[in-house]
Amino acid sequence: DAGVTQTPRHEVAEKGQTIILKCEPVSGHNDLFWYRQTKIQGLELLSYFRSKSLMEDGGAFKDRFKAEMLNSSFSTLKIQPTEPKDSAVYLCASSYSQNTLYFGAGTRLSVL
Amino acid sequence: DAKTTQPDSMESTEGETVHLPCSHATISGNEYIYWYRQVPLQGPEYVTHGLQQNTTNSMAFLAIASDRKSSTLILTHVSLRDAAVYHCILRVGSGGSNAKLTFGKGTKLSVKS
Repeated sequence: DAGVTQTPRHEVAEKGQTIILKCEPVSGHNDLFWYRQTKIQGLELLSYFRSKSLMEDGGAFKDRFKAEMLNSSFSTLKIQPTEPKDSAVYLCASSYSQNTLYFGAGTRLSVL
Repeated sequence: DAKTTQPDSMESTEGETVHLPCSHATISGNEYIYWYRQVPLQGPEYVTHGLQQNTTNSMAFLAIASDRKSSTLILTHVSLRDAAVYHCILRVGSGGSNAKLTFGKGTKLSVKS
């Protein structure tokens, strides 16, 4: 029973690079969420998709962060260009119609 | 807009039963009580949730006060694997706009062997 799969688990980028994080939601789930987690800010919503349509984005994250759902079983989060302040854990979660959210293990991003 | 209050930390010993309290005095009628736990280098893991009635699953028992202003997550026969930060959060049920989750600091549960 596959849960949410995120790749890579760790990413190191130079300032100004473009990075793409990947997420495969739980099969059958129609909601997909991208969050950023830091010790200071806690959990911040980046994007929320329902059935591949963008429902919410995280306002402040619009300019350099772009999430896409290429199909119902695959999503990407592109950060372009990266900045050191983007260093954080990026979490993907999925649910069925906003019931229980199931999270992936996360991608730990370090921007030098 | 954290609406729950939890102790910062609790300690237990393997095999014991642990009661993790959560206060949510301003809970709305359509808000569910969710519990997640998180260990370092992993995403939050769903534990359980409930609305009004006590619930139980393979991971934990959730006791909800009759006025719904507090709840207690009960872990029986804890093991070292149960050491984690436990988060109690409120979410509107399905159909609500609920994408923004607010995890507070949670309760860090330490388990001794």
